[in-house]
Amino acid sequence: GAVVSQHPSWVICKSGTSVKIECRSLDFQATTMFWYRQFPKQSLMLMATSNEGSKATYEQGVEKDKFLINHASLTLSTLTVTSAHPEDSSFYICSARLAGSGGYEQYFGPGTRLTVT
Amino acid sequence: TQLLEQSPQFLSIQEGENLTVYCNSSSVFSSLQWYRQEPGEGPVLLVTVVTGGEVKKLKRLTFQFGDARKDSSLHITAAQPGDTGLYLCAGEGRSGGSNYKLTFGKGTLLTVNP
Repeated sequence: GAVVSQHPSWVICKSGTSVKIECRSLDFQATTMFWYRQFPKQSLMLMATSNEGSKATYEQGVEKDKFLINHASLTLSTLTVTSAHPEDSSFYICSARLAGSGGYEQYFGPGTRLTVT
Repeated sequence: TQLLEQSPQFLSIQEGENLTVYCNSSSVFSSLQWYRQEPGEGPVLLVTVVTGGEVKKLKRLTFQFGDARKDSSLHITAAQPGDTGLYLCAGEGRSGGSNYKLTFGKGTLLTVNP
């Protein structure tokens, strides 16, 4: 159980275009999902917290108009990178929060590799 | 702002050796989670510790949560090449209002050589 999927697993786009990444909790409902960004051989950097039915909470320094987050249902959150630039190239990972036997736990998707040319 | 100091950042050992990874903070966390991540994949949850002083074992891996819930350690016995990967500790705490978030350590890149 507690499986999170992401689509697409990788995407290449041109500068100035927009890209949408989907994050789904497959076997549970998630009122809270998170979006992270990760650079090679580095840890995860939280971008925003996505709450179902309400606006996302962005971390300091993350442009909310550039990284649009929508959490329209209890199993789906989307991240849209608008007007992408090469510096947006990165590994984007989502997670979903679930109550476990030992408290709340986060389960991660497999990630989406974005390359902006 | 909650910070987690994870050490060592890099570790290269021979098969059969033991190792310990540490996560330390000045903040108290409601829980602490350990993940293992392989290149190009998302982190996989290994364990969650919640109670101060708690010890959990997962085969050759032993996880401990400090009494004050500010630090944690991961000990691997008789490491194997299959243990190679990026190990991440993450503490859960409030981020403001009713939101919770994970604070990640910088990670430990472990290489176990055959």
